Amino acid sequence: KNQVEQSPQSLIILEGKNCTLQCNYTVSPFSNLRWYKQDTGRGPVSLTIMTFSENTKSNGRYTATLDADTKQSSLHITASQLSDSASYICVVSRSGGSYIPTFGRGTSLIVHP
Amino acid sequence: GAVVSQHPSRVICKSGTSVKIECRSLDFQATTMFWYRQFPKQSLMLMATSNEGSKATYEQGVEKDKFLINHASLTLSTLTVTSAHPEDSSFYICSARVSGQLGNSPLHFGNGTRLTVT
Repeated sequence: KNQVEQSPQSLIILEGKNCTLQCNYTVSPFSNLRWYKQDTGRGPVSLTIMTFSENTKSNGRYTATLDADTKQSSLHITASQLSDSASYICVVSRSGGSYIPTFGRGTSLIVHP
Repeated sequence: GAVVSQHPSRVICKSGTSVKIECRSLDFQATTMFWYRQFPKQSLMLMATSNEGSKATYEQGVEKDKFLINHASLTLSTLTVTSAHPEDSSFYICSARVSGQLGNSPLHFGNGTRLTVT
């Protein structure tokens, strides 16, 4: 069964601290993995995309890693800001067909001042 | 670029009435649009895939007669919740891919519609 599991479910950190979110998946055959940021009451916005051959990709203070062998990805946020408070969703797409993605439940991040 | 506009952002309706939600791609054409439903603290659940000029493909368990989808142009898809009931109250989101791009191109999401059925 194609699944995407994220941990932790929620996380509270102080402004300025770093944090790492995890994503494990069983989706196969694998095409790509995206991390999205979803602010409360808004639609998700893409942060990064990882394909099979990529191990690390950065977007500003966000750094995503991918281990295709163990089917794990992480999203590291450096020097967190209050505006980072949001839900972070891991989305994995299968190859072939219409690339229908499988969504994780998300990690709810709260950054306190 | 690649902006998806969803309207309305919030709607409150009485039980038994129908509600239409619009999803527009403002600066690109989208052959395919997706409709999702999201409950609090839950992931997005794909309801249906909307293809321009043809019938939508519904996920298992989604009633096609209750959730009517029309994708009449390359920039507009609509979701109509017919005979709404309180259990239909949820956050509905649409997304679209730019026509002609590969399947690993990003999905561009609307800002969602908060539906409350009283």
